Amino acid sequence: DAKTTQPPSMDCAEGRAANLPCNHSTISGNEYVYWYRQIHSQGPQYIIHGLKNNETNEMASLIITEDRKSSTLILPHATLRDTAVYYCIVRGNTGFQKLVFGTGTRLLVSP
Amino acid sequence: NAGVTQTPKFRILKIGQSMTLQCTQDMNHNYMYWYRQDPGMGLKLIYYSVGAGITDKGEVPNGYNVSRSTTEDFPLRLELAAPSQTSVYFCASSPTSGYNEQFFGPGTRLTVL
Repeated sequence: DAKTTQPPSMDCAEGRAANLPCNHSTISGNEYVYWYRQIHSQGPQYIIHGLKNNETNEMASLIITEDRKSSTLILPHATLRDTAVYYCIVRGNTGFQKLVFGTGTRLLVSP
Repeated sequence: NAGVTQTPKFRILKIGQSMTLQCTQDMNHNYMYWYRQDPGMGLKLIYYSVGAGITDKGEVPNGYNVSRSTTEDFPLRLELAAPSQTSVYFCASSPTSGYNEQFFGPGTRLTVL
């Protein structure tokens, strides 16, 4: 599994966009980038995933660089409920592929 | 759908005791997983199952056992509990391994004293 590097913590003002970076310089061609988040004491929650194109859903947008060595998760209008630890995970999509969780980025959204 | 449910929510064990953490899902998912999460760390995979009757080890299986007699249930057994097993345990499920999303339960917080 490719490893990922994320900043340990970030702050964001409520209502502003939160941009969470992730480096995955050793990603291979068939590996996807996944984002999960974990709100305090709860189980992780899937947010979004992508291969090489930018992706958007009702929760967030995912921007992957052209060389696929890094990506950014964007929460367009952060709310207090978005305070959580965000995990960037790289995994393949064939056969059994486990999720390898690092320590993630702790995002604090403040009023 | 209740999704993934886990019992108990909290438990304190004495060293050497045994217990079973229960996990049930009502989404008819084939794949189920057990993770542990130590304070300030990410989740680590203990065991997983690709269907009833089939289980396999993850990254940190020592000290644990699992069984999968039905699609819905995936209990995790701790034999001879040790302080190193103090952790939060999460069960998850997905339709297949390659599926985008794993659905997680609320967790069981276990303390071994």
